Amino acid sequence: DGGITQSPKYLFRKEGQNVTLSCEQNLNHDAMYWYRQDPGQGLRLIYYSQIVNDFQKGDIAEGYSVSREKKESFPLTVTSAQKNPTAFYLCASSLGDPGQLLSGANVLTFGAGSRLTVL
Amino acid sequence: AQSVTQLGSHVSVSEGALVLLRCNYSSSVPPYLFWYVQYPNQGLQLLLKYTSAATLVKGINGFEAEFKKSETSFHLTKPSAHMSDAAEYFCAVSAFGDSNYQLIWGAGTKLIIKP
Repeated sequence: DGGITQSPKYLFRKEGQNVTLSCEQNLNHDAMYWYRQDPGQGLRLIYYSQIVNDFQKGDIAEGYSVSREKKESFPLTVTSAQKNPTAFYLCASSLGDPGQLLSGANVLTFGAGSRLTVL
Repeated sequence: AQSVTQLGSHVSVSEGALVLLRCNYSSSVPPYLFWYVQYPNQGLQLLLKYTSAATLVKGINGFEAEFKKSETSFHLTKPSAHMSDAAEYFCAVSAFGDSNYQLIWGAGTKLIIKP
């Protein structure tokens, strides 16, 4: 079955460490996204990518980095510069470009998420 | 600027009762509206979407939502709640023409089903 695989599901990090969250999709979707979810808040966009080797900052990109070397993969690195990294991280993808997403022509498909806790 | 307000961070209903989850939006242009559901420790999945066709939109699992422009609302309903409906529900809005490619999300409403 096609879908999005995020790993690890749970991750613990000491302060000052960088960690990388994996996101792989086999849906042949063009666009991929990273969202952060905190209790009582809506999803906030960290980064998105429309095509390989290209990505754009979202609302809360500071302290995060991404790469898009392959269409299927969009890993997120949470760096030590991120002040409050404890959160639930969701990867998503969509067919076509994000503009089509806004028009409702396509929708987001989400992974099951990765929960990061800083000790 | 667009925004989304979901009234009530928690809504509790009895099994078999009507489910009503409220979503109000603000947008300077005609919006597209979405409801997503999130089961515990899982990603979100689309319930339904409004894209300027019929104002009453039917989704999966017996849910539906009605777009009311005069009230700037897109409330989610289900006639009879089932235990499996217990989850968190998110309303989101987008407006074509914005420079940023993203949806604006509500804070979510956790639906609790009492036996």
